[in-house]
Amino acid sequence: DTEVTQTPKHLVMGMTNKKSLKCEQHMGHRAMYWYKQKAKKPPELMFVYSYEKLSINESVPSRFSPECPNSSLLNLHLHALQPEDSALYLCASSTDPFGNIQYFGAGTRLSVL
Amino acid sequence: QQQVKQSPQSLIVQKGGISIINCAYENTAFDYFPWYQQFPGKGPALLIAIRPDVSEKKEGRFTISFNKSAKQFSLHIMDSQPGDSATYFCAASMGVSGSRLTFGEGTQLTVNP
Repeated sequence: DTEVTQTPKHLVMGMTNKKSLKCEQHMGHRAMYWYKQKAKKPPELMFVYSYEKLSINESVPSRFSPECPNSSLLNLHLHALQPEDSALYLCASSTDPFGNIQYFGAGTRLSVL
Repeated sequence: QQQVKQSPQSLIVQKGGISIINCAYENTAFDYFPWYQQFPGKGPALLIAIRPDVSEKKEGRFTISFNKSAKQFSLHIMDSQPGDSATYFCAASMGVSGSRLTFGEGTQLTVNP
């Protein structure tokens, strides 16, 4: 099973709301990633967790707050987002320590009004 | 030096034809070159990958050709089918801790019936 599950599939939120995106994998992968993808563009890396510790933060604004409660679960907490944050948010996991082979979820389509 | 340049941006091919997508890189430290396929509403999925010690890798109708001296690699889709219509991203990464995937800008492939 090479499945990465993301919920919700769609999310609409106002600029003052607080919401969370959830990502789950049961492949035993110890590296997990958050990406942001705009239409017709490649995924942009936001955060990397390795063995449940934040290892890479690509200078993402603090209104995005990642959390890795355990080795199977990754959350992205959202607060006071801007309309330009509307995008597809992708979670991925990797079994190798260098992140060469990544398995992506289907993403959460986020709209900020 | 971290960029991966991909062309063309879009490609239209007739069913049964050959689709060719090209990528070029500058950083000689890259040592893993995957291709991802993304359908609308889905996350990217690993299609095929190659390391620089191999000049060609074939999996079914998909072939990667790799030219280390030219720092170029390409994806060939033989006998293209309408079901291959998707966006294709080439990528590159380094085999070191803290590495990340560097994506090309993507190619939108349309295979007409």
